[in-house]
Amino acid sequence: ILNVEQSPQSLHVQEGDSTNFTCSFPSSNFYALHWYRWETAKSPEALFVMTLNGDEKKKGRISATLNTKEGYSYLYIKGSQPEDSATYLCAFSGTQGGSEKLVFGKGTKLTVNP
Amino acid sequence: KAGVTQTPRYLIKTRGQQVTLSCSPISGHRSVSWYQQTPGQGLQFLFEYFSETQRNKGNFPGRFSGRQFSNSRSEMNVSTLELGDSALYLCASSLAPGQSYEQYFGPGTRLTVT
Repeated sequence: ILNVEQSPQSLHVQEGDSTNFTCSFPSSNFYALHWYRWETAKSPEALFVMTLNGDEKKKGRISATLNTKEGYSYLYIKGSQPEDSATYLCAFSGTQGGSEKLVFGKGTKLTVNP
Repeated sequence: KAGVTQTPRYLIKTRGQQVTLSCSPISGHRSVSWYQQTPGQGLQFLFEYFSETQRNKGNFPGRFSGRQFSNSRSEMNVSTLELGDSALYLCASSLAPGQSYEQYFGPGTRLTVT
């Protein structure tokens, strides 16, 4: 059974703080790693899809890195704003038996206080 | 471009009944995946459809089934509902199968089984 772990489970920061969270996944049979942002009462929104070891992606104040050899990805938010408050999900897909289904972590819930 | 739509948004059913949920993907997207989220759990993969064929299936009992139509719209069906089926059901569409593509999620159907 594939296990995708995210830490911390929740995080409270002040506006302007920079923060980061971790996603750990199996280091074998890697295919892709996704990051999503899920605001309350909205749909999950795709942030990044990463496929190559060493990948770094950036969207505004949010960036992510990927290490497939050791099985982790970091998501960074620079200068957090209250509108960044959301649950951040990572999802791993592997190549076991040709199946590419996404396995999601339970998410990191970020609260940014003004 | 219209987003992914799901109907109905909320549903209350009784144990033993069956239910059908509908998902219309973004125009041009041909792959549709379904997920279940229950309290305390991450998103659990149910199935993925492409070209009217089920490509992948998650670890759910046979009471959960789905299908995809020629216009890429998808339905999922749950028969003989149990209390534990109460959950948020999300569908997501992508351009093509294979999990290196971003998935675009709908707003979900909140199913309550009493």
